[in-house]
Amino acid sequence: GNSVTQMEGPVTLSEEAFLTINCTYTATGYPSLFWYVQYPGEGLQLLLKATKADDKGSNKGFEATYRKETTSFHLEKGSVQVSDSAVYFCALNPSGGSEKLVFGKGMKLTVNP
Amino acid sequence: NAGVTQTPKFRILKIGQSMTLQCAQDMNHNYMYWYRQDPGMGLKLIYYSVGAGITDKGEVPNGYNVSRSTTEDFPLRLELAAPSQTSVYFCASSYSTSGNNEQFFGPGTRLTVL
Repeated sequence: GNSVTQMEGPVTLSEEAFLTINCTYTATGYPSLFWYVQYPGEGLQLLLKATKADDKGSNKGFEATYRKETTSFHLEKGSVQVSDSAVYFCALNPSGGSEKLVFGKGMKLTVNP
Repeated sequence: NAGVTQTPKFRILKIGQSMTLQCAQDMNHNYMYWYRQDPGMGLKLIYYSVGAGITDKGEVPNGYNVSRSTTEDFPLRLELAAPSQTSVYFCASSYSTSGNNEQFFGPGTRLTVL
């Protein structure tokens, strides 16, 4: 079946530190891949996405590259800010247009000044 | 646009009570979804709808019911509340484009069943 495995936190970093959140997936065919972010007290919002192999999604200084050979979609940011404190979810949409997202468990990030 | 709205924000229920969680979207999206988010467990799909009059079960539908009489509204009904239904509930919507959709989420309803 389809599944997403992402590194579990919580993680605490200092401002300006480098961030990597690992995400690997299991899926048949060619899924679309997403990173969603949930700020405290809010719903999820799309951070970035990639729809085919080798695509790079980017937004707000975050990047992730769709790696089919390693079935991965790791999220990176070179210099985190206090405002990046949130829960980050990796997700996939299975190929075939099911429109149903499969989420990882989420990782809570806290950035201290 | 208000996006996806949910009411109430918080609710405490007693075991066996019933309630309806409201969800509405003003983006003319065909697809709507209900998820529950348990601590450390990510989001699980309860029910979804591909258009008015059409609903289908997700991963964890037991104990819940839905209806979709209009494009805008997608209420979730709990008939006999149980402590296992204590969770945060999120409604979401999306366009019907295949495989590339962004889901837009509401702010959530935090439900406690005692």
